[in-house]
Amino acid sequence: DTEVTQTPKHLVMGMTNKKSLKCEQHMGHRAMYWYKQKAKKPPELMFVYSYEKLSINESVPSRFSPECPNSSLLNLHLHALQPEDSALYLCASSQGTGASTDTQYFGPGTRLTVL
Amino acid sequence: SQQGEEDPQALSIQEGENATMNCSYKTSINNLQWYRQNSGRGLVHLILIRSNEREKHSGRLRVTLDTSKKSSSLLITASRAADTASYFCATDSYGNNRLAFGKGNQVVVIP
Repeated sequence: DTEVTQTPKHLVMGMTNKKSLKCEQHMGHRAMYWYKQKAKKPPELMFVYSYEKLSINESVPSRFSPECPNSSLLNLHLHALQPEDSALYLCASSQGTGASTDTQYFGPGTRLTVL
Repeated sequence: SQQGEEDPQALSIQEGENATMNCSYKTSINNLQWYRQNSGRGLVHLILIRSNEREKHSGRLRVTLDTSKKSSSLLITASRAADTASYFCATDSYGNNRLAFGKGNQVVVIP
């Protein structure tokens, strides 16, 4: 199984809502990532988990809260978002060994719209 | 952080033609990778070239890397309509799990 799955595919939420994005992989990867991608822009790294511990937080606002319950799952909890947070949110995973050939496998993304 | 930058950013070609896109970056790298993204979907890894390599092939893909100029190129030969996508280069430093993506190239292959 070389797939990263993400749910939901689409999400519309109000600025006062609380929602969560979910990501799952069963490749035995030990590094997992959240990216944010605006239209016609490259992905921007948000968070990196390595061996279930948060290793990189790219100065993301606290209204985004990541969680890694186990080595296969990654969540992104959303609260009090702003309309400018509307974007495609991509999850990725990699072996996480830090080797020079460590490539990332991406999920299909969650299209988030904040009203 | 490092940032790859591709030039040109939009390319429209006829099926069967070759497509070439470039990427430049600013600092030393461990490796450089190319990814493809179909509209509104996740990214798919295409090819990785290490800093000590100059050229690499994978099927219809050819990647070159010039570390002295801090640049890379991706060539897709005999393009197909299915190659229509955005192509991003991404650079990586040793072991930090942090990829920096370039601006991307939008390639449209006309059947």
